[in-house]
Amino acid sequence: ETGVTQTPRHLVMGMTNKKSLKCEQHLGHNAMYWYKQSAKKPLELMFVYNFKEQTENNSVPSRFSPECPNSSHLFLHLHTLQPEDSALYLCASSQIRGRSTDTQYFGPGTRLTVL
Amino acid sequence: TQLLEQSPQFLSIQEGENLTVYCNSSSVFSSLQWYRQEPGEGPVLLVTVVTGGEVKKLKRLTFQFGDARKHSSLHITAAQPGDTGLYLCAGPPGSNYQLIWGAGTKLIIKP
Repeated sequence: ETGVTQTPRHLVMGMTNKKSLKCEQHLGHNAMYWYKQSAKKPLELMFVYNFKEQTENNSVPSRFSPECPNSSHLFLHLHTLQPEDSALYLCASSQIRGRSTDTQYFGPGTRLTVL
Repeated sequence: TQLLEQSPQFLSIQEGENLTVYCNSSSVFSSLQWYRQEPGEGPVLLVTVVTGGEVKKLKRLTFQFGDARKHSSLHITAAQPGDTGLYLCAGPPGSNYQLIWGAGTKLIIKP
């Protein structure tokens, strides 16, 4: 399998549930990202990992908890979410964080609905 | 606040027509990237423009970066249904490396 994969593709959860999103990249990259995409709004960068170390947390609520066990895998743990957290969650990877012209490769996203 | 404003937000045209979409800012960007996102997929990079005044062509798509590096445009000639998607621009303002994203132009090409 190539590129960036995400599972599940769709997720419906209640506000009291705990779930996790998974991302895997097969590109040999060292940087991985979580984005939130809501309709008619710019992509919101949530977290960045560079060589497995979290380098950025853009004021994301603690109900979102990232985990990066190695350079190929990235998780987003979810708990006690709110309906306004419903969105498309995109994972991306790039060769390295810190080069503005680096291409980011995106997964297909997880469509999350919080009831 | 450094913003990238994309216009129009939505465009629906017939196959064969030409169109231009815009990505504008009040800030200078060291480069700008254009992505296309098809339904059910993540964004895919189309092109990166780096130099002020640069023009890049990708088949029927022509990308321009303004001389002042604050504006960019994407022109599609003889649009086809396969061009349908959300077109996003993104770039690092100034000397920053973090990307700022536009909200996108949703393009529908009707057969």
